[in-house]
Amino acid sequence: EVQLLESGGGLVQPGGSLRLSCAASGFSFSSFAMTWVRQAPGKGLEWVSAISGSGSTTFYTDSAKGRFTISRDNSKNTLYVQMNSLRAEDTAVYYCAKDRRRAALPGDFDFWGQGTLVTVSS
Amino acid sequence: QSALTQPASVSGSPGQSITISCTGTSSDVGGYKSVAWYQQHPGKAPKLMIYDVSNRPSGVSNRFSGSKSGNTASLTISGLQADDEADYYCSSYTSSNVVFGGGTKVAVL
Repeated sequence: EVQLLESGGGLVQPGGSLRLSCAASGFSFSSFAMTWVRQAPGKGLEWVSAISGSGSTTFYTDSAKGRFTISRDNSKNTLYVQMNSLRAEDTAVYYCAKDRRRAALPGDFDFWGQGTLVTVSS
Repeated sequence: QSALTQPASVSGSPGQSITISCTGTSSDVGGYKSVAWYQQHPGKAPKLMIYDVSNRPSGVSNRFSGSKSGNTASLTISGLQADDEADYYCSSYTSSNVVFGGGTKVAVL
């Protein structure tokens, strides 16, 4: 059974940093690209970042470029995102999601974690 | 990376069929087969309902179907049921990114 379990969310001040983790199990982790998707309170889904199965290629939405860094440790079956220079508009539930295909590019996502809430506020 | 355009809400009575549209551009919806649809119930994670425009993952009811014409993709739910009441999001691959639609709230009257 595929399981994705996010952790690391919480309250952080504007300008602060936070690292989210996503522990994966039940599939060949290194074979699949992984993605972070966020959802601001009462708003829609927003794709944030993705990383290829090997970790050699990363992708970011414009608002995350230069502030967020996605990474993975395939030996630990864990996905990360380091978020720096956080802003109020980064407040959201952050989901990690597994790409459905064994491909390097992000596409669609067949398994999702339960999400972790990040609140950026003073 | 502008969001794809979806109607804010769609409603129907039990047993009816409804269709949700998702309009993009030739750089996303119209240019790739990687168009997907997700269902999200309140407080829950999204669930993949359709991938590659018209394919259903294992376990998804055949009441859900997808199609695409030009820059607009569509999700049709036939035989509407109470449990179909949820938010629905489309997504498309675009230039090494993924873009979502703004979401459509489906109400079962």
